[in-house]
Amino acid sequence: AAGVIQSPRHLIKEKRETATLKCYPIPRHDTVYWYQQGPGQDPQFLISFYEKMQSDKGSIPDRFSAQQFSDYHSELNMSSLELGDSALYFCASSIGVNNEQFFGPGTRLTVL
Amino acid sequence: EDKVVQSPLSLVVHEGDTVTLNCSYEVTNFRSLLWYKQEKKAPTFLFMLTSSGIEKKSGRLSSILDKKELFSILNITATQTGDSAVYLCAVPPIYNQGGKLIFGQGTELSVKP
Repeated sequence: AAGVIQSPRHLIKEKRETATLKCYPIPRHDTVYWYQQGPGQDPQFLISFYEKMQSDKGSIPDRFSAQQFSDYHSELNMSSLELGDSALYFCASSIGVNNEQFFGPGTRLTVL
Repeated sequence: EDKVVQSPLSLVVHEGDTVTLNCSYEVTNFRSLLWYKQEKKAPTFLFMLTSSGIEKKSGRLSSILDKKELFSILNITATQTGDSAVYLCAVPPIYNQGGKLIFGQGTELSVKP
């Protein structure tokens, strides 16, 4: 069965650089969520989109922005990267909100 | 403030043992509770519980929800080394219809041969 696809899987950036993470939801899923997971921590919700509109916003820094496109894929743009942004970034998708979310493999971002 | 608390935080057992993982929650307008298994990669969906007292079962794993006492348990019988993982409990607060998940801290299960 098709799963959530994230790219890239690994990314190394320097401080103050920008990064773009991509997420392709499971086919027919219209809702996308972004989570950030630091070492030894549980995933923290960043932002979500339903039918290309932002549906919820969590602890996402102002330096980050995201959008969902007409084909339902989503991109998380991160600017002025800081060392503390190093983490695993998960994308999840679901059919509508409040249904089970299926997670992608994650993008491991390392900021040097 | 909505929160999800899991216990124990870590657990070490031997193959063949049965384990019970706990998840308690305080969430406005509860709708559902989800269990995930995370093995050094993305969380893998296990169960979604919405009704009290109805057990969901998948192989050696089962889970049940108590909406009166605000908790859920995840049982794993005849544990195997492949069950070693962090088990996450999550609840979506729906006050703003966004569907985000609030996760507990996770229970790190280690199954020894």
